[in-house]
Amino acid sequence: NAGVMQNPRHLVRRRGQEARLRCSPMKGHSHVYWYRQLPEEGLKFMVYLQKENIIDESGMPKERFSAEFPKEGPSILRIQQVVRGDSAAYFCASSPSAGVMDAEAFFGQGTRLTVV
Amino acid sequence: RKEVEQDPGPFNVPEGATVAFNCTYSNSASQSFFWYRQDCRKEPKLLMSVYSSGNEDGRFTAQLNRASQYISLLIRDSKLSDSATYLCVVIHTGGFKTIFGAGTRLFVKA
Repeated sequence: NAGVMQNPRHLVRRRGQEARLRCSPMKGHSHVYWYRQLPEEGLKFMVYLQKENIIDESGMPKERFSAEFPKEGPSILRIQQVVRGDSAAYFCASSPSAGVMDAEAFFGQGTRLTVV
Repeated sequence: RKEVEQDPGPFNVPEGATVAFNCTYSNSASQSFFWYRQDCRKEPKLLMSVYSSGNEDGRFTAQLNRASQYISLLIRDSKLSDSATYLCVVIHTGGFKTIFGAGTRLFVKA
């Protein structure tokens, strides 16, 4: 029973390139959350998605960042024209479908993005 | 005001000490509560759920105060291995949006 899978684990991009981060939720989970963690800081909520829908993107920067969770395949967090300030650990978490009480969220191991 | 607030710390305590963290939440419709632990450069992992009646797991005790909208975590007889960041987590009714606090850092010293 695989947990939340994120890939790649480490990603290096030059300034101006695009970064694509993937997250496959746990089996049976249809809620996905993306968080960003800067060095020595706490988790910052970015976006909450259900299959084919963005439920809450209040934490997403207005430009260059987008997220999707298609009907088939993993959730993708896409960062266009990366800058050095985008360097961070990006964590994905998934939780079970709505209607399940005490639905804990499980995290992937994160993708560490370094912009050089 | 943030939906979930925690004192970032750090809390520096000697081995064997008792330490307590609080976490406040702003949405009275919040439904479920958890404490997660995050070790350096690792992903957060569930430590324990928090129930209205309070719950205990070994050296760890979690409490929920709905009237004052806060949850707490008490760690007794601290061990070096307890050094980590402790995240308070709240789930809202309807939509089951999960909100994480920024975390409280704990350092336990020999």
